[in-house]
Amino acid sequence: QQQVKQSPQSLIVQKGGISIINCAYENTAFDYFPWYQQFPGKGPALLIAIRPDVSEKKEGRFTISFNKSAKQFSLHIMDSQPGDSATYFCAASTGSSNTGKLIFGQGTTLQVKP
Amino acid sequence: ETGVTQSPTHLIKTRGQQVTLRCSSQSGHNTVSWYQQALGQGPQFIFQYYREEENGRGNFPPRFSGLQFPNYSSELNVNALELDDSALYLCASSPGTGWRDNEQFFGPGTRLTVL
Repeated sequence: QQQVKQSPQSLIVQKGGISIINCAYENTAFDYFPWYQQFPGKGPALLIAIRPDVSEKKEGRFTISFNKSAKQFSLHIMDSQPGDSATYFCAASTGSSNTGKLIFGQGTTLQVKP
Repeated sequence: ETGVTQSPTHLIKTRGQQVTLRCSSQSGHNTVSWYQQALGQGPQFIFQYYREEENGRGNFPPRFSGLQFPNYSSELNVNALELDDSALYLCASSPGTGWRDNEQFFGPGTRLTVL
């Protein structure tokens, strides 16, 4: 019940295309859903996050879509650029608890071809 | 504003040894969490420190221990190192506990290799 399942494992997109990464969770107590971007040899960087009381959040070219009833959320990267090539992790936590530990998905390696 | 810093960057140890990793939290942040990231995997939560007290622990054995200091910097100690401990160790700081403070900002990590 603590798992967050992420797909696909890898993704190749042409420059200018839309990259879509999906995550599913089981624990209905999760109430905070961030996405992180990680480049080789670096720590994860927070991209965008959403709470379950909204269905969509957009920041620049990045959009999170959230479906509470299906227990799924996704990251859309519009106008994908070669500089977006990285590994993306979804995560979830029970932010209302004291710990707020993040449960991460397995990651998606995105390659944007010029 | 200084981000999260970690030291050392890389470390090589042999099985059975002990290691200490260090983390300085982002300015204004009083909560530090530690994660282990094996190659090709997502980070796994080890434990969190809030105001110098352990505030939650993941599924890691007691040989993983930590400290948080009054300036909110933190240490991760691992005793009796095993080969499977080879990983990237990430420190993340956040402004506090609770969902509003749940944005966790990660440092660059310490790459530990156990031979």
